[in-house]
Amino acid sequence: DAKTTQPPSMDCAEGRAANLPCNHSTISGNEYVYWYRQIHSQGPQYIIHGLKNNETNEMASLIITEDRKSSTLILPHATLRDTAVYYCIVSNNQGGKLIFGQGTELSVKP
Amino acid sequence: DAMVIQNPRYQVTQFGKPVTLSCSQTLNHNVMYWYQQKSSQAPKLLFHYYDKDFNNEADTPDNFQSRRPNTSFCFLDIRSPGLGDTAMYLCATSRGAGADLNYGYTFGSGTRLTVV
Repeated sequence: DAKTTQPPSMDCAEGRAANLPCNHSTISGNEYVYWYRQIHSQGPQYIIHGLKNNETNEMASLIITEDRKSSTLILPHATLRDTAVYYCIVSNNQGGKLIFGQGTELSVKP
Repeated sequence: DAMVIQNPRYQVTQFGKPVTLSCSQTLNHNVMYWYQQKSSQAPKLLFHYYDKDFNNEADTPDNFQSRRPNTSFCFLDIRSPGLGDTAMYLCATSRGAGADLNYGYTFGSGTRLTVV
């Protein structure tokens, strides 16, 4: 599975958009980009995934660059409850497993 | 609600005393995973079952074993816990490989194990 690089921590003001970057320069053609988050003392929670097109759901938007070497998770209006560690993972969907990197610790502040 | 349940939520065990953690699911998912998460670290995959097929990660210590008696239940056995095995243990499920992976993993809330 390809490796990802994320900043270890970020701050965001409540109500503003949180933009979390992820580099995955060695991603293969059949590998998807997955985002999960883990709120303190809970299990990780699925957020969104994509292959090459931008994706949006009720939680977030995922922007993948044209060369697929990086992506950005966008939380459009961050709330205090979005404070968590956010993991960007690349994996193929042909038996691939979720292997977590170190993630980004997002702190949403009032 | 369909979910993944881990029991107990907290477990304290003595050094060297075997311990079993349990996970049950009502999702009827084919795949069940066990992850170990030490303090301030990312979850680390230990092994998984695809139906009854057991798949061990290369660097999982022999001290860790797993059983899946049926679709709904999966157990993590630590035969001789050491102090370094103190961690959160997370169970997760998924529908399967292939495109089913895109439905995401569902995680339980974890069992926080302390070895004393």
